[in-house]
Amino acid sequence: QKEVEQNSGPLSVPEGAIASLNCTYSDRVSQSFFWYRQYSGKSPELIMSIYSNGDKEDGRFTAQLNKASQYVSLLIRDSQPSDSATYLCAVDGGSQGNLIFGKGTKLSVKP
Amino acid sequence: KAGVTQTPRYLIKTRGQQVTLSCSPISGHRSVSWYQQTPGQGLQFLFEYFSETQRNKGNFPGRFSGRQFSNSRSEMNVSTLELGDSALYLCASSLDAGLDSPLHFGNGTRLTVT
Repeated sequence: QKEVEQNSGPLSVPEGAIASLNCTYSDRVSQSFFWYRQYSGKSPELIMSIYSNGDKEDGRFTAQLNKASQYVSLLIRDSQPSDSATYLCAVDGGSQGNLIFGKGTKLSVKP
Repeated sequence: KAGVTQTPRYLIKTRGQQVTLSCSPISGHRSVSWYQQTPGQGLQFLFEYFSETQRNKGNFPGRFSGRQFSNSRSEMNVSTLELGDSALYLCASSLDAGLDSPLHFGNGTRLTVT
């Protein structure tokens, strides 16, 4: 069974700090990796995608991928209270052709 | 541009009944995927439709079925409801099939089975 693991949190960081969210996956053949943000009572929204080893930056967000270690992370710089949400890691299911989601890490940014 | 629209937003059904959920994708999107979200299991893939054909199916019993119409709108049906089917059902559309097209989620249908 293909799995995506995330620390459920809550992860609490002060405003302005860097929040680091981590995700590991079980299927070595996975090639596509995504981070979704879900506010309480709302639907998930895509914030980052990454396909190659290394870092990908988009504004305050940086996704990091290490396929050898089967590890993907999301860094949020200058965290804001509005970043408080659950962050879902999603990995392609290989031959299954669909996304496999982790259960999410709840982030709380304290003013 | 209108987002993904799911109806109804809330449903309360009794065990043994059946239910149909509806999803209208973003205009121009041809792929529709369905997910079940529960606090214990997180987001779990149900199925994906593209051009009226089911491309992929998750590990759910046959009581869960779906279809897609020629205008890309999709419906999901659950028969013989069980208490464990209580969940948030999310529909997501994407421009094309495959993981290069990002998923855009609707607001979901909250199903409660009593």
